[in-house]
Amino acid sequence: SQTIHQWPATLVQPVGSPLSLECTVEGTSNPNLYWYRQAAGRGLQLLFYSVGIGQISSEVPQNLSASRPQDRQFILSSKKLLLSDSGFYLCAWTGTAASGANVLTFGAGSRLTVL
Amino acid sequence: GQNIDQPTEMTATEGAIVQINCTYQTSGFNGLFWYQQHAGEAPTFLSYNVLDGLEEKGRFSSFLSRSKGYSYLLLKELQMKDSASYLCAVRDSNYQLIWGAGTKLIIKP
Repeated sequence: SQTIHQWPATLVQPVGSPLSLECTVEGTSNPNLYWYRQAAGRGLQLLFYSVGIGQISSEVPQNLSASRPQDRQFILSSKKLLLSDSGFYLCAWTGTAASGANVLTFGAGSRLTVL
Repeated sequence: GQNIDQPTEMTATEGAIVQINCTYQTSGFNGLFWYQQHAGEAPTFLSYNVLDGLEEKGRFSSFLSRSKGYSYLLLKELQMKDSASYLCAVRDSNYQLIWGAGTKLIIKP
C-alpha cells in the first residue's frame, strides 16, 4: 500500500532563517506531488506541484521554492522566512492516470510558526 | 474566476442528521471531492462524485448536480467524533483542485 511521510511535524523558526520541509511517498512510482499551505480559517492554497523529477510548477509567487531530487521525494524550502510564512504545510500525492488512482492523499502536515 | 462556496460553520446534535452544502463555479468540471479535517490534522478523503446523483458510504452520503453546480454531504447518526471541518473541492478542466474554505461542524450532546 502507498504511504506518505512528511517531516518535521512542528517547527518554530525566527524571521530570516532558512526552511526545509521534506516529503516522501512509498509504494508507488511517478506520483504527482503537491505542496499546499493552509492558513488559519482559510482554504487550502496550492504552492507547488510536480509531475516528475526536476519538474516543478509554482502557483503562487513567494519566497518559497520546491525541489524534486528523486521520484518520490519532494522538498519545500526557503532561504529567509517571513512572518507571513507561518501556517500548516501539507504535502500530498496523486497517482498518474495510468495507475488509475485520482484521489489526493495528504501527509500528516508540518505546522510552521515564524517568530 | 473560480469559486467554491460552503457555510463557514454549522451546529448539530449527536444522533441527528446534517447536510453540508457546496456550490461551485469553475472552469470545467472533472469531479467533486469531500474531505474531513479534524483540528490540527491533515484532510482525509471522504467521497468523490463525477456523475449526477447520490453516492452512499456508510453514515456519509454525497450528492452532485452538475447542472446546478451544487453538491451536499449528508451525515447521518451523528457522533461526537464527526466534529471536524468538511472541505469541498472541485477538479477543473486543467485537473487542478479548487478548494472551498471548509465548513466547521460542531456536534453537541
